[in-house]
Amino acid sequence: DSGVTQTPKHLITATGQRVTLRCSPRSGDLSVYWYQQSLDQGLQFLIHYYNGEERAKGNILERFSAQQFPDLHSELNLSSLELGDSALYFCASSSTSGIAATQYFGPGTRLLVL
Amino acid sequence: AQSVTQLDSHVSVSEGTPVLLRCNYSSSYSPSLFWYVQHPNKGLQLLLKYTSAATLVKGINGFEAEFKKSETSFHLTKPSAHMSDAAEYFCVVSESGGSYIPTFGRGTSLIVHP
Repeated sequence: DSGVTQTPKHLITATGQRVTLRCSPRSGDLSVYWYQQSLDQGLQFLIHYYNGEERAKGNILERFSAQQFPDLHSELNLSSLELGDSALYFCASSSTSGIAATQYFGPGTRLLVL
Repeated sequence: AQSVTQLDSHVSVSEGTPVLLRCNYSSSYSPSLFWYVQHPNKGLQLLLKYTSAATLVKGINGFEAEFKKSETSFHLTKPSAHMSDAAEYFCVVSESGGSYIPTFGRGTSLIVHP
């Protein structure tokens, strides 16, 4: 158990809908990262927050947004969902924001868009 | 720009025999390199990381990797495979210049036969 929690574990929704994925980092970790894992694209970095501020943005679509709250939990919002958004979404946390930071991954949220 | 190539999508070994998972990287700056393992239906777990200190890095569960700058490689090895090593392995590169965005390889599936 990494100490990172993600809810929900599974999510089934329809095209065009909007969903929110939640992540609680390990106690004391200030950094939160979001990733998308799919068969087509592999593991893709989406976005990184450190202590409430956005630090880096990867291959995140305009329809997706994220934020980190004062209590350090983070939410990833996916809107106007398409079939291709079906994937496993991971959150990870680390105590620092540097490139050598060890990231601790949550168990993921499996999203299925029908 | 950075990139990472895992040279084998699948590696099959017998229990008790050595494991070699190959990773080549490309980086314009001094890279940090990581190996993560993902067991079925689980999040990723860090095995080891290289951050410009010793070129031979020892990780958990008997794994180690050697950073070879001249060959731009960071291969993962283990002297003797165990059934519990069967999983997906990801090589990751992150570079110090510019914004921090980790790039993941496509993964290598390690199959261990009894």
